[in-house]
Amino acid sequence: QQPVQSPQAVILREGEDAVINCSSSKALYSVHWYRQKHGEAPIFLMILLKGGEQKGHDKISASFNEKKQQSSLYLTASQLSYSGTYFCGTEIAGGYNKLIFGAGTRLAVHP
Amino acid sequence: DVKVTQSSRYLVKRTGEKVFLECVQDMDHENMFWYRQDPGLGLRLIYFSYDVKMKEKGDIPEGYSVSREKKERFSLILESASTNQTSMYLCASSFHLGTRTYEQYFGPGTRLTVT
Repeated sequence: QQPVQSPQAVILREGEDAVINCSSSKALYSVHWYRQKHGEAPIFLMILLKGGEQKGHDKISASFNEKKQQSSLYLTASQLSYSGTYFCGTEIAGGYNKLIFGAGTRLAVHP
Repeated sequence: DVKVTQSSRYLVKRTGEKVFLECVQDMDHENMFWYRQDPGLGLRLIYFSYDVKMKEKGDIPEGYSVSREKKERFSLILESASTNQTSMYLCASSFHLGTRTYEQYFGPGTRLTVT
């Protein structure tokens, strides 16, 4: 079951904040976040693990609510370089790092 | 830097042709993955492999097969290409160690058009 991402798209001015949500119907082991710019490969941003451990980006933060199987990505003081499509990937325990990705959230940051 | 390369950026094939998409990674990763990416659907897993000669079906394996004869190389095969397989295909790789989770590194993608 594909996780549900919201919103589908968001438009910001530089310096504004945004929150992207990812919700799964399954018990999760971890949530990964990736960003993809047009015509490029997705790049890793952050992993959030069951139990609270995080690995990732120092300018982007995220949370993982294990009870609700939800994760949120927080983009603060957005920069033009934040533009792109953000994907969450959800992993269940014992899944060999197999991820099920959401449909993506398109973020456009304007001057 | 981890590098994941894919054999072609763009490919045009005819319906019924056998198509091979190649992926090579240079970081000795155990896991390799094939996704297809379509607008509004995100990345959908076709197949993955956690070791040489080992493979597991993903969410949309129908019409595809894979081969992993060497650790660094993972091939996606379309036995008889159809127009509904026109898509962007992305390969990825990651470490695998026990139950720990690791980030996936993606290749640049192959845009396949089947006419």
